[in-house]
Amino acid sequence: DIQMTQSPSSLSASVGDRVTITCQASQDISNYYLNWYQQKPGKAPKLLIYDASNLETGVPSRFSGGGSGTDFSFTISSLQPEDIATYYCQHYDNVPPPTFGGGTTVEIK
Amino acid sequence: QVQLVQSGTEVKKPGASVKVSCKSSGYTFTSYGISWVRQAPGQGLEWMGWISDYKGDTNYAQNFQGRVIMTTDTATNTAYMELRSLRSDDTAVYYCARDFAYTSGRFDYWGQGTLVTVSS
Repeated sequence: DIQMTQSPSSLSASVGDRVTITCQASQDISNYYLNWYQQKPGKAPKLLIYDASNLETGVPSRFSGGGSGTDFSFTISSLQPEDIATYYCQHYDNVPPPTFGGGTTVEIK
Repeated sequence: QVQLVQSGTEVKKPGASVKVSCKSSGYTFTSYGISWVRQAPGQGLEWMGWISDYKGDTNYAQNFQGRVIMTTDTATNTAYMELRSLRSDDTAVYYCARDFAYTSGRFDYWGQGTLVTVSS
């Protein structure tokens, strides 16, 4: 199974800052099957980005994703107070299991 | 609108079983799969398995093989996850999520979660 390593595990930034989270796969993900989720405290996760760079319908454009090979990134272009949450990357392939990264908790400085 | 509504909080003793339900609405149930994902207190997300009526198939994570059974009732658009031989480290919030029909990979709608507490 491919392992996903997220970094940092937590970060603190100011409102308006650009925030970037990385997700490194243990093997090349040439199919770009990499999703990003946002989870607010006490709530279910929410899909934000699918297949590395596609914005889910209704998700604000300040969220974006990119990368290739083994290195992927998730960016919030201008951090807003409502973006306080834990973010997870998740890889999948044609054969299960899908695997999650360990999560990155984003706080306001 | 797509909705997945799960059953309520459960408290179980070690060794018992729990069965969580997930009722779907707002889409064609048999055109999608359902995955189950759990989250222990203060921890990350753990995929448990996937079921698809479209493909007539299930796939369980190795950690749960032999202890979990996932089923569906297409008459009521409801998915079920039964976990047996509960241990204290099975204490977690259990989520169902809509998934692909042909494999497990993208969880685009989620249930609200069901807290299962295992304690003597």
